[in-house]
Formats: sequence, C-alpha cells, structure tokens
Amino acid sequence: AQSVTQLGSHVSVSEGALVLLRCNYSSSVPPYLFWYVQYPNQGLQLLLKYTSAATLVKGINGFEAEFKKSETSFHLTKPSAHMSDAAEYFCAVSERGGSQGNLIFGKGTKLSVKP
Amino acid sequence: ETGVTQSPTHLIKTRGQQVTLRCSSQSGHNTVSWYQQALGQGPQFIFQYYREEENGRGNFPPRFSGLQFPNYSSELNVNALELDDSALYLCASSFQGEDTQYFGPGTRLTVL
Repeated sequence: AQSVTQLGSHVSVSEGALVLLRCNYSSSVPPYLFWYVQYPNQGLQLLLKYTSAATLVKGINGFEAEFKKSETSFHLTKPSAHMSDAAEYFCAVSERGGSQGNLIFGKGTKLSVKP
Repeated sequence: ETGVTQSPTHLIKTRGQQVTLRCSSQSGHNTVSWYQQALGQGPQFIFQYYREEENGRGNFPPRFSGLQFPNYSSELNVNALELDDSALYLCASSFQGEDTQYFGPGTRLTVL
C-alpha cells in the first residue's frame, strides 16, 4: 500500500535561508507525487507534481522538488525563504495515478520563517 | 473560470445530529473527492464520485455518504455525528484522466 512520511513536523528557517522539507514515499506502483501548501484557515494549493516525466520538478513560488527513485524520496526545496512561505506543507502520493485515485497525504510539515 | 467552492465555511453541531456539506466543482471538472483533515493531521480520503457514482472509498464508516449531481456539484452527508468527526472537510475536483486535484477552502465542522 502507498504511504508518505514527512520528516519533521516543524521546520524553522531564517528569511533568505534554504528551505528543505523532506518526504519519503512507499508505493507499489510508479508513483505520482505532489506537494501542496496550506495557509492558515485555507484549503490546499498545489505547489508542484511529479508524474513520471523530468525528475526535477519546478513549481510555483520558487519551489522545486527532485524525485529520487533509489531513495524513494521527493524532497521540497527553495533556495531563499520569504516570510510569505510560512505555512504548512503536505506531500502526497496518488494511489492509482492522478485524479483516478485518492491522494494519500503525509502528516505535514509546518514551516516557520524568522526575520 | 471559477475555482472549487464549499459551503458552509463553519458549522457547529451536537453529537448524534446529521450534517450536509456542499461543494461546487471547478468549471469543466467531472470528478469530486472528499477528504477529512483532523487538527494537526494530513487530509484523509473519504470517497470519490465520478459521473454521479461512487468511484472509490477510504476507511470511513457508512454513516459518511455522498452524492454527485448532474452539474458535478457534490454533497457529503454525515449521520449520527461523533465528537471525532470534528475536522476540516475538504472537497477536491478534477477531470477524470488528468493528474491534479484542485481543493476548495474547506468546511470546518465542530461537534459538541
């Protein structure tokens, strides 16, 4: 069965520092992987997705993630954090591929950005 | 193009009552999925509807039921509410065969 593990429930960085949010997955089929961001009292916004094309995926707001099959990882990075990046980030794997199946989410990582 | 909308925004119910939550899909989308997000947790899949039929279900009891209408809007019904049903309920729409689900802002349900 598919599953997602996000290492670190809270990550704190200084403004301008590198952001690294970790995600490891388990999947019995070639995975579709997603990162979503959730701002307080809001729904989820798609940051980026991996769907078996390029392993380095660029998303919105300067975020990118690299799919590493050998490490079963899909870590999210951003070279320079902004105050506006403070939010909760969720990694998800699709059970059957995209909208054909449900998404299985990790527990989330709350990102704090210090001035 | 309008996004996914949900109503109501907030809802307070008491244990044992029934509740109906509503979702309007993004224009052109024919698939709706519902998720429950408990405080401090990631969303958990409840079920998905495609062309008015249930198209997959997560590990939720039968008192969680749904409907999808011809215009692709959807309802989530929960009977016999329990305290643990307190959560943010998220609706996501997509087009069958495409790989991205678009989420609404959610309905915050509190059960007292």
